[in-house]
Amino acid sequence: DAEITQSPRHKITETGRQVTLACHQTWNHNNMFWYRQDLGHGLRLIHYSYGVQDTNKGEVSDGYSVSRSNTEDLPLTLESAASSQTSVYFCASSESPGTTDTQYFGPGTRLTVL
Amino acid sequence: GENVEQHPSTLSVQEGDSAVIKCTYSDSASNYFPWYKQELGKGPQLIIDIRSNVGEKKDQRIAVTLNKTAKHFSLHITETQPEDSAVYFCAASWGTGFQKLVFGTGTRLLVSP
Repeated sequence: DAEITQSPRHKITETGRQVTLACHQTWNHNNMFWYRQDLGHGLRLIHYSYGVQDTNKGEVSDGYSVSRSNTEDLPLTLESAASSQTSVYFCASSESPGTTDTQYFGPGTRLTVL
Repeated sequence: GENVEQHPSTLSVQEGDSAVIKCTYSDSASNYFPWYKQELGKGPQLIIDIRSNVGEKKDQRIAVTLNKTAKHFSLHITETQPEDSAVYFCAASWGTGFQKLVFGTGTRLLVSP
């Protein structure tokens, strides 16, 4: 079955380190999104992509970057991790740009920055 | 940009009762309103959605209503069951063309047997 996976599921890192969170989907969806989830804030959009070589900033993009070299993957990089980036990160994908298609979410990555 | 407010933050009901969660949005141009259910340790999962040209939509025990004039929409769950216990998020689409979602802050629903 097609699916969306995230790795690692849990990560502990230190302030200042670079961290990359992986997201892989097998639906061949054009759209991919990264969100962070914090208590009291719901889910907030970090970055999104509508296709290969396309990336866009979301609501809370400072300190994060993404790249889209193929349809299946959208890795999220924290260039220099900060304690404020301790959060649960969710990747999502949807089928077609320009529509309100369902977004399918991965299981999440819990990141702790010490 | 869009802003979505969600109430209540927690909701406790007895099994068999109804539950209602309400959301308001700020951008009158928003035209898509999904509801997601998140179980512990999992990612959110779409349970129902509504578009701005429809006032109400039902799917078995779940319904969503939309009042465009007042800019609010609600999730109604009837005959609640313990397995309905989860966190529920509303969202509104924001922007034109390629659409992004803005989420509410979530409602933790607890259904007691």
